[in-house]
Amino acid sequence: DQQVKQNSPSLSVQEGRISILNCDYTNSMFDYFLWYKKYPAEGPTFLISISSIKDKNEDGRFTVFLNKSAKHLSLHIVPSQPGDSAVYFCAASGFNNNDMRFGAGTRLTVKP
Amino acid sequence: EAQVTQNPRYLITVTGKKLTVTCSQNMNHEYMSWYRQDPGLGLRQIYYSMNVEVTDKGDVPEGYKVSRKEKRNFPLILESPSPNQTSLYFCASKGSSANYGYTFGSGTRLTVV
Repeated sequence: DQQVKQNSPSLSVQEGRISILNCDYTNSMFDYFLWYKKYPAEGPTFLISISSIKDKNEDGRFTVFLNKSAKHLSLHIVPSQPGDSAVYFCAASGFNNNDMRFGAGTRLTVKP
Repeated sequence: EAQVTQNPRYLITVTGKKLTVTCSQNMNHEYMSWYRQDPGLGLRQIYYSMNVEVTDKGDVPEGYKVSRKEKRNFPLILESPSPNQTSLYFCASKGSSANYGYTFGSGTRLTVV
């Protein structure tokens, strides 16, 4: 039972344009939502998070939007850069983050 | 440098031969966790630990054991590995703040033949 779903296995965008990665979840008890980025041969690295009491969090070129009624979150990258090419994982957890559930990942390719 | 170190990076073993994957963190984090990554399934939690001597099952604990005798170490033990445990394994740790995610190790690619 996958509680966190990323339905797009891959996404390709042009350098300088916006990248939008989407994530859906089924458990309304999740308190925190996080995005991780993963390069080949490395572990995932934390990118940005949002609490369930907020609907937007911004950090530089990265913005995460949360729509609780739709159980949907998205990561916007503006402007996209070739170095952003990686696999992006969406994750969700309860208050203490211990039981963090991950989606299957979306491979983003940013073309020069 | 703050990091999570897991060893080995690559391991090929035979069915039934006990093995241990070590994990160590130098950030004095309370929480540690093991995940496995499989194509199309993302990262699935195997076990996690909230502190020394406190561990709990994740979503896919069958066939695995863990221990947390010291705060910095969290080894993953496969008593009798089987081919369906062939996967990419990640150890991770985090502090007590809920805002920040896990810091992951570089991964261990395990093949069981």
